[in-house]
Amino acid sequence: DTGVSQDPRHKITKRGQNVTFRCDPISEHNRLYWYRQTLGQGPEFLTYFQNEAQLEKSRLLSDRFSAERPKGSFSTLEIQRTEQGDSAMYLCASRPGTSGYNEQFFGPGTRLTVL
Amino acid sequence: RKEVEQDPGPFNVPEGATVAFNCTYSNSASQSFFWYRQDCRKEPKLLMSVYSSGNEDGRFTAQLNRASQYISLLIRDSKLSDSATYLCVPRRAALIFGKGTTLSVSS
Repeated sequence: DTGVSQDPRHKITKRGQNVTFRCDPISEHNRLYWYRQTLGQGPEFLTYFQNEAQLEKSRLLSDRFSAERPKGSFSTLEIQRTEQGDSAMYLCASRPGTSGYNEQFFGPGTRLTVL
Repeated sequence: RKEVEQDPGPFNVPEGATVAFNCTYSNSASQSFFWYRQDCRKEPKLLMSVYSSGNEDGRFTAQLNRASQYISLLIRDSKLSDSATYLCVPRRAALIFGKGTTLSVSS
């Protein structure tokens, strides 16, 4: 499969625990994005990377959230001290870094449930 | 005001019907858009890009009206498989999605 992959697909955790999600983008894509989607809403932008540099972060990304892309390939999103309001689908997307804003290809998402 | 607003629907139509959705946007600098399609509990997938000249792909036609700041998507001869949520998005680095419009096509 040469698409965007995410791991795990589902995560159930207790409030207060830390969780980490992984995203593997399409190999030649140097732009990587994280979004969060709750029921009945469209995806909400969290942050994005160009190679290993984190270029933009949304106000939604509180200090409990941190994202990394250390080698400019896969990325991780960590949520510390999870809260019930963090329950959502976390989507990763990637695109080539060519000129213009090309289509973003989304992964299948990680569904987080915080009990 | 949200950057993108869509009628959430649901739009319930029979197979074979023609259905149209509108999407309004607030940032007059936006020059092109994407329509993404999202099936229930799946990831969004690109349906088509929309430029000032519009776009047509088979049964799907998208138009951009910059004067009135809205984008439309027309689906002709609806199929059961068209049932999904349709999201319009300004074409930029970080995508700003609206809630989307839900379409349900029934036999």
